[in-house]
Amino acid sequence: ETGVTQTPRHLVMGMTNKKSLKCEQHLGHNAMYWYKQSAKKPLELMFVYNFKEQTENNSVPSRFSPECPNSSHLFLHLHTLQPEDSALYLCASSQGFSGTGNTEAFFGQGTRLTVV
Amino acid sequence: AQKVTQAQTEISVVEKEDVTLDCVYETRDTTYYLFWYKQPPSGELVFLIRRNSFDEQNEISGRYSWNFQKSTSSFNFTITASQVVDSAVYFCALSEARGFSGGYNKLIFGAGTRLAVHP
Repeated sequence: ETGVTQTPRHLVMGMTNKKSLKCEQHLGHNAMYWYKQSAKKPLELMFVYNFKEQTENNSVPSRFSPECPNSSHLFLHLHTLQPEDSALYLCASSQGFSGTGNTEAFFGQGTRLTVV
Repeated sequence: AQKVTQAQTEISVVEKEDVTLDCVYETRDTTYYLFWYKQPPSGELVFLIRRNSFDEQNEISGRYSWNFQKSTSSFNFTITASQVVDSAVYFCALSEARGFSGGYNKLIFGAGTRLAVHP
């Protein structure tokens, strides 16, 4: 299995729908992240979970609701989204601070979300 | 505030040419970490290298090399003898140090440089 797996790979949803994105990591990492990549902006950090606790919320609108039931799984629940929320949503995980410093984050392939 | 600038939006080269991707960063931290990632068309970001602020040695890995210059706040990436498979978007990223209690990695990304290598 690949290190970080995201499902679904593609999602089209209407503005009144509710859907969820799923991320699973098989690397034994303690931290998990949601990033948003849209066409006209750099990669933006949305949320960080460290040992299942949310440690960062980068002023994300409440129509995005994360959930981290354990250190291996991360969800992003979506409801009443807007067309401008269409983007590639990337999940990542990392081991956190090691003896040699911040370790690298490993990314999934992303979910391409289109809001119609 | 932390910031990463990749001034080159797109670069187009012919196979076997050498190409350098520029990265300039800003941070007030004395301890920080720099990264390069590759994003092929499939979408996932592939980790290439991590460098901490105390280690200014340049690094070479096969056809890839990195030049870290603290004096100019730059961390440039060179691909020697480029190949079509190198075509991708390349991102430079910066993160600050975290505490000792098992922290996490808050990456600040540049806008990316799209590299197209033509046969």
